[in-house]
Amino acid sequence: EVQLVESGGGLVQPGRSLRLSCAASGFTFDDYAMHWVRQAPGKGLEWVSGISWNSGSIGYADSVKGRFTISRDNAKNSLYLQMNSLRAEDTALYYCARWGGYAVVSWGQGTLVTVSS
Amino acid sequence: DIQMTQSPSSLSASVGDRVTITCQASQDISNYLNWYQQKPGKAPKLLIYDASNLETGVPSRFSGSGSGTDFTFTISSLQPEDIATYYCQQYDNLPPGGTFGQGTKLEIK
Repeated sequence: EVQLVESGGGLVQPGRSLRLSCAASGFTFDDYAMHWVRQAPGKGLEWVSGISWNSGSIGYADSVKGRFTISRDNAKNSLYLQMNSLRAEDTALYYCARWGGYAVVSWGQGTLVTVSS
Repeated sequence: DIQMTQSPSSLSASVGDRVTITCQASQDISNYLNWYQQKPGKAPKLLIYDASNLETGVPSRFSGSGSGTDFTFTISSLQPEDIATYYCQQYDNLPPGGTFGQGTKLEIK
């Protein structure tokens, strides 16, 4: 069974940093690109960032470019999102997502990030 | 970034109705367009990929069409369990990317 378990969310002050992790199991992690997708409370889905299977290709939404860094460790079956210079508008549920080459085919349960003073 | 304009933002329909949602891309995206369903408190679920391909296990009352910049998602006969919010998503693989539309909240009349 595919499992994606996010961690690292919490309450953080504006301007500070946070690192999210996603532990993957139940599939061959390094066969898949991985993405982060977020959803602000009561709002729609927003794609945040994606990384190819070998970290050779990376993309970011304009809203996080220069502040967030995606990475992965295939030896640890793990995906990460380093979030710096956090803003109130970054408050959201952050989903780890497995990319099947054409769409998100598996989602985690999400980890909540709240940016507030 | 490519912008995705989804409409309507909300929709009320009766059981058995045919329901249509549209999604327009700001530039040609070929058929790189997916549709997801999200129920309250749950992660999204893939319904349609590459504009018109039904994901395995998804009921055949769901369908998608279109290419280029204009896309349509259809539920042929609305069922009570279809109450959800629906999102389109355009995607790229190099580099990885996937902008979502604003979503359409579907309610039963």
